[in-house]
Amino acid sequence: EDQVTQSPEALRLQEGESSSLNCSYTVSGLRGLFWYRQDPGKGPEFLFTLYSAGEEKEKERLKATLTKKESFLHITAPKPEDSATYLCAVQTLGGKLIFGQGTTLQVKP
Amino acid sequence: DTGVSQNPRHKITKRGQNVTFRCDPISEHNRLYWYRQTLGQGPEFLTYFQNEAQLEKSRLLSDRFSAERPKGSFSTLEIQRTEQGDSAMYLCASRGGMTDTQYFGPGTRLTVL
Repeated sequence: EDQVTQSPEALRLQEGESSSLNCSYTVSGLRGLFWYRQDPGKGPEFLFTLYSAGEEKEKERLKATLTKKESFLHITAPKPEDSATYLCAVQTLGGKLIFGQGTTLQVKP
Repeated sequence: DTGVSQNPRHKITKRGQNVTFRCDPISEHNRLYWYRQTLGQGPEFLTYFQNEAQLEKSRLLSDRFSAERPKGSFSTLEIQRTEQGDSAMYLCASRGGMTDTQYFGPGTRLTVL
């Protein structure tokens, strides 16, 4: 069965304290792994797509990496405005996304 | 490009009533997806359209749920005889033919009393 698991469920950081979020997946026929950011009461906002092991993408303080079984979202020197829930999802051959439960990040000034 | 829009943004209804939500995708996106998200969970897939054809439905989509996409443009999701367990955020996403990325709307928050 296709499955995505994210850890930790919640993460508290001080401003400037770097860390990583983990996304483990099992899926038959991976079409892509996606990272989204979601603010409270809003829809998910697209961040990155990764397709093959070893691939990396960067955007400001965020860097996403991919292996055959997991993906990491590295946050370097985070700021309070990075506080949000970060969602990982895999796209199946049929096109639908299977999401993990998310990691809620809080960055304190 | 105005993004995906959803209406209404919030809906409060009494158990047993019918509700309908609307999604307007990004123009010229031929694929449209509906997801449901409960508090503390990631979105769960409900159904998918390519143009006007409904190509996949989740087991989560009971007989009380129906979705349409007439003329391959906007889509509606109707829930009949609502139950308290239907309370959730209903999200719509669209995707163009040349990309794998799904872009989400702001969602419709449903509360069933």
